[in-house]
Amino acid sequence: QKEVEQNSGPLSVPEGAIASLNCTYSDRVSQSFFWYRQYSGKSPELIMSIYSNGDKEDGRFTAQLNKASQYVSLLIRDSQPSDSATYLCAVNMSGAGSYQLTFGKGTKLSVIP
Amino acid sequence: DAGVTQSPTHLIKTRGQQVTLRCSPKSGHDTVSWYQQALGQGPQFIFQYYEEEERQRGNFPDRFSGHQFPNYSSELNVNALLLGDSALYLCASSPLGMRGTEAFFGQGTRLTVV
Repeated sequence: QKEVEQNSGPLSVPEGAIASLNCTYSDRVSQSFFWYRQYSGKSPELIMSIYSNGDKEDGRFTAQLNKASQYVSLLIRDSQPSDSATYLCAVNMSGAGSYQLTFGKGTKLSVIP
Repeated sequence: DAGVTQSPTHLIKTRGQQVTLRCSPKSGHDTVSWYQQALGQGPQFIFQYYEEEERQRGNFPDRFSGHQFPNYSSELNVNALLLGDSALYLCASSPLGMRGTEAFFGQGTRLTVV
């Protein structure tokens, strides 16, 4: 069973702090990794993608990937109340010709003003 | 540039009925995937359409079927609805020739089966 695991939270951080969200995956051959933000009652919104080991920064967001440890994380710097949402980790666990995304259950983030 | 659009946004059906959901992908995207998201869960992959054919399928029964049209739009059909089919149904599209990369979601269709 190919799985993506996330701490369901809720994760509460004060405004201006760094929020750290973590995700582990079971399939070693996974190639593509994504973070989606989902506000309550809305659809997932893609905020970061990462394909190779290391860090990728985009504004206040940094995605980190460690394929050897099968671990991907998302850091949100200077957290704002508007960042309060559920963050979904998604992995393309691709064997040959496989393109489906496998999602974790999401981590609920609450940024306290 | 319109993003991924889905219709309808909300739907209430009776157990045993059939439903059709529709999706238009983002401009420049040719691959459409459908996901089911139950409350409190992450989206689960139903199937993916590319070049008008079902290319990959998740662990869903044959009651779930789909279609892709030449303009890349897609439909999801669910027959013999069960109460457990109540969920948010999401359509995602991916860029031309880049099926394993970024997928962008529409606003979803909230299906309630009573």
